Amino acid sequence: AQSVTQLGSHVSVSEGALVLLRCNYSSSVPPYLFWYVQYPNQGLQLLLKYTTGATLVKGINGFEAEFKKSETSFHLTKPSAHMSDAAEYFCAVSIGGSYIPTFGRGTSLIVHP
Amino acid sequence: KAGVTQTPRYLIKTRGQQVTLSCSPISGHRSVSWYQQTPGQGLQFLFEYFSETQRNKGNFPGRFSGRQFSNSRSEMNVSTLELGDSALYLCASSLGQGFPEAFFGQGTRLTVV
Repeated sequence: AQSVTQLGSHVSVSEGALVLLRCNYSSSVPPYLFWYVQYPNQGLQLLLKYTTGATLVKGINGFEAEFKKSETSFHLTKPSAHMSDAAEYFCAVSIGGSYIPTFGRGTSLIVHP
Repeated sequence: KAGVTQTPRYLIKTRGQQVTLSCSPISGHRSVSWYQQTPGQGLQFLFEYFSETQRNKGNFPGRFSGRQFSNSRSEMNVSTLELGDSALYLCASSLGQGFPEAFFGQGTRLTVV
């Protein structure tokens, strides 16, 4: 079975500051990892994914994440926050076979002007 | 290419009633999954259908059911509604086996009064 832990239910940053959202996973086999973003009353939009290959993954809207197997982490970063980045972010893990993703509890990103 | 379409977007039902939600996946996608999202429990997996067969099921009571049609469109049904069923119900589609990336619809907001 797999699981995801997102550290911090809320993260607050100033506009222009570094964004760092933390995600740790547990999986008995090599995982597939995802970050999704959700705006109020909307569905989830895929930001980026790690399946195999390069461990630094670039996504949309300037976000990137690095898969670190030794730390079982997949933290999401963005060099400079924008007001439009304010949303809920979900980390998810899936494994071969069912591929059904297991989601973290989400982190609400608050961006101050 | 059209995304995942869920109808209706909003529903208000009375306790004891039943409700049917609809999901049209991305063209060519054969796997459809359903999730319940609540503030208290986060994103919880309901079930997954692939080629009209339920392939995976989450830990929900039998009041929650679903089906998939030959055109991959899916419906989920909740009978004997309870107040606790109030949630955002999300549908996600993917190509299926070997393709872990899921694409989400905007969801159906169900309110039970």
